[in-house]
Amino acid sequence: NAGVTQTPKFRILKIGQSMTLQCTQDMNHNYMYWYRQDPGMGLKLIYYSVGAGITDKGEVPNGYNVSRSTTEDFPLRLELAAPSQTSVYFCASRLQGEDYGYTFGSGTRLTVV
Amino acid sequence: GNSVTQMEGPVTLSEEAFLTINCTYTATGYPSLFWYVQYPGEGLQLLLKATKADDKGSNKGFEATYRKETTSFHLEKGSVQVSDSAVYFCALTGRDYGGSQGNLIFGKGTKLSVKP
Repeated sequence: NAGVTQTPKFRILKIGQSMTLQCTQDMNHNYMYWYRQDPGMGLKLIYYSVGAGITDKGEVPNGYNVSRSTTEDFPLRLELAAPSQTSVYFCASRLQGEDYGYTFGSGTRLTVV
Repeated sequence: GNSVTQMEGPVTLSEEAFLTINCTYTATGYPSLFWYVQYPGEGLQLLLKATKADDKGSNKGFEATYRKETTSFHLEKGSVQVSDSAVYFCALTGRDYGGSQGNLIFGKGTKLSVKP
């Protein structure tokens, strides 16, 4: 049981480049989330999804896009990378109705130069 | 809106010292409360949880009690070890009066360093 898998683990982008952060879970969780973690700032919610075909904005969605074509996958797209998007990105998932907290991936460290 | 406030770090303790990390919250409805731990270079792991007032969550020697009257969920451990060095996050999911659970909201995290 792999849990939540994120790829890549590290990436350096140049300003204006685009990339997709991959996230997949094998627990059949219907809810999935993308957070970014900046030093000393905790985690901020970027986007979330309550099921395949349904996505919604979180607290800091600007500069990002998501899609949810399957239950398992929830990729995060950066279209025009900016230095302000340098951060560590975490994907997470949970079951609706489960009050056990979220399962997190191990993160993607992104640097935009 | 819902929010979590936890004590500023870093916190540096000697091995076997007593640990308290304060956490208070603001929430409507009936939130569930969590402590997550992040070890260096890793993602977040659920440490413990409490889903209603007066519940005590516990795991690996850590404890926290859901205090509705003081809107607090302080993390405690009687004797810390070097291996407890990590960043600790207090978090909540709001729950409205209809029972729907909201998204996870985090405090800023408290870095704990334990010296031998």
